Amino acid sequence: EAGVAQSPRYKIIEKRQSVAFWCNPISGHATLYWYQQILGQGPKLLIQFQNNGVVDDSQLPKDRFSAERLKGVDSTLKIQPAKLEDSAVYLCASSFDRARETQYFGPGTRLLVL
Amino acid sequence: QQQVKQSPQSLIVQKGGISIINCAYENTAFDYFPWYQQFPGKGPALLIAIRPDVSEKKEGRFTISFNKSAKQFSLHIMDSQPGDSATYFCAASLSARQLTFGSGTQLTVLP
Repeated sequence: EAGVAQSPRYKIIEKRQSVAFWCNPISGHATLYWYQQILGQGPKLLIQFQNNGVVDDSQLPKDRFSAERLKGVDSTLKIQPAKLEDSAVYLCASSFDRARETQYFGPGTRLLVL
Repeated sequence: QQQVKQSPQSLIVQKGGISIINCAYENTAFDYFPWYQQFPGKGPALLIAIRPDVSEKKEGRFTISFNKSAKQFSLHIMDSQPGDSATYFCAASLSARQLTFGSGTQLTVLP
């Protein structure tokens, strides 16, 4: 089966600009996650969707980050305006449903904010 | 209370040796403990996972040892190979909610 797809793979922007990332989960996976992975650290959950509803966004900096999952399939994560400390890899993951813990990760989008 | 502490930060092992990575957690309610393997430029991939009702789980060369009373678990890689060189993350979750990851261990297996 096809894996989790993400685009773009790399993005360089200047601070205060906006940026958006796209994720297409594995077909049939109801649960979708966005993680932020800062260099040298483990991934940190930003937001979790179950179908098109938000399950957990407690660690999402809502003043600048937003995410949506229209129609319960693809998802976009947006940062506006970006800060230097947002430089990281943004990983999308999906799982069949919340009861199946195995999460399948995409390759990530590497963001550099100058 | 949601932290997962991982050590060592980096590990160098000779081919054929045993690699051991340790993790400790604080939240006794965690009920799922996976290990993920990440190669450069790739997303993490599930390697092996264990639940707290089992003290050990083995899959091929990879073994998780779990000590519930000490709130610790470890990954053992037997007969380590150069292809095992990657970053390994332990993680924990509660009732299939968000994964809390450790800080990662960069493993290098010398040929």
